Amino acid sequence: EPEVTQTPSHQVTQMGQEVILRCVPISNHLYFYWYRQILGQKVEFLVSFYNNEISEKSEIFDDQFSVERPDGSNFTLKIRSTKLEDSAMYFCASSAPVGTEAFFGQGTRLTVV
Amino acid sequence: AQTVTQSQPEMSVQEAETVTLSCTYDTSESNYYLFWYKQPPSRQMILVIRQEAYKQQNATENRFSVNFQKAAKSFSLKISDSQLGDTAMYFCAFMKQDGGATNKLIFGTGTLLAVQP
Repeated sequence: EPEVTQTPSHQVTQMGQEVILRCVPISNHLYFYWYRQILGQKVEFLVSFYNNEISEKSEIFDDQFSVERPDGSNFTLKIRSTKLEDSAMYFCASSAPVGTEAFFGQGTRLTVV
Repeated sequence: AQTVTQSQPEMSVQEAETVTLSCTYDTSESNYYLFWYKQPPSRQMILVIRQEAYKQQNATENRFSVNFQKAAKSFSLKISDSQLGDTAMYFCAFMKQDGGATNKLIFGTGTLLAVQP
């Protein structure tokens, strides 16, 4: 069964460092997303990506964040200068046509120290 | 803006019993989708069931079924014959259907379900 794959599963970084979280969405999907879940809290939408551009972003997704689909298969989230409050689980998701469910990756746990 | 509310932070059920998790939402949209996702201790997000708002019939997936009350904006999840593997956090989620280029999910705060042996 096709699945969304995220790497790494856990990343520890120092405050102020740049991190790149990687995702391989399901191959025939067209819509890609990043969500964030701070420990013990709800899952929050960060950004959606369609047709090689950002289609919507939340207020959380400020200038420190960027997304890219560099080679037609990977989908990355970059945080330029990490802060302690960026510590969270980051989920990548993808979906096919409009209205179909999103399939989530297993998440990357980011710890900023 | 849409909001999703789950008023039960935690619930407990005995194995083989039935439990119902509540979810209400607020929207001015007439076309949308509703979902229940399960997040076990591994923290992976797994789709349990989905409901299209235009369908009057309640969705069912094996032991999981929903009670969708569109007028009341209520979308509860019923788990029958609860199993130990059902222990997880359950999130209710809303997605509007507008033909746009984003299908973002709006999640509730979750209900932590513990199935007791």
